[in-house]
Amino acid sequence: DAGITQSPRYKITETGRQVTLMCHQTWSHSYMFWYRQDLGHGLRLIYYSAAADITDKGEVPDGYVVSRSKTENFPLTLESATRSQTSVYFCASSVREGEQYFGPGTRLTVT
Amino acid sequence: DQQVKQNSPSLSVQEGRISILNCDYTNSMFDYFLWYKKYPAEGPTFLISISSIKDKNEDGRFTVFLNKSAKHLSLHIVPSQPGDSAVYFCAASGYGGSQGNLIFGKGTKLSVKP
Repeated sequence: DAGITQSPRYKITETGRQVTLMCHQTWSHSYMFWYRQDLGHGLRLIYYSAAADITDKGEVPDGYVVSRSKTENFPLTLESATRSQTSVYFCASSVREGEQYFGPGTRLTVT
Repeated sequence: DQQVKQNSPSLSVQEGRISILNCDYTNSMFDYFLWYKKYPAEGPTFLISISSIKDKNEDGRFTVFLNKSAKHLSLHIVPSQPGDSAVYFCAASGYGGSQGNLIFGKGTKLSVKP
């Protein structure tokens, strides 16, 4: 199906473990984004990518790594998960500045 | 410091009445503004946008107003329906060559009561 998908939808991991959240879009949008949503903070940008092999930091990048070898995929890796990274993570994509299309989210719990 | 502020965490409105959601911004470089709607356990969905060259944009029951001098925008929903109950996020873009980045407010939870 066309659109933007995220996997897994739910994940529980332990402190110190590496975990990768996947994001896939079928529109061939140039831009892709990762946000986290926390109570009292709204949506905060972690990393974004303007095209394959081009990534840049957002507002809260510490503890996260991204890559974009293909236009349609934008995985987010937590190299050593911490409890403060417990959150809901949203991936988004866009053709140009402005309107972004969001995936359904991944709820991550770090114990 | 927050560049996009939604000062009302929640709003309750009767079905059929007008809902007005407010948003303030501090960065004068912002030139494009958007509203997103979010239901529980789903991703945000785009609702309506406005460019800084306009002061009003309308789409069905939804109208966004922009007051650049006050750095304020508002979303009007008329008439409000129970299905409009959701969290609404205001977002802005256009600062510093950000290449498409959006800055979001913290959201306002709208409850429309039958």
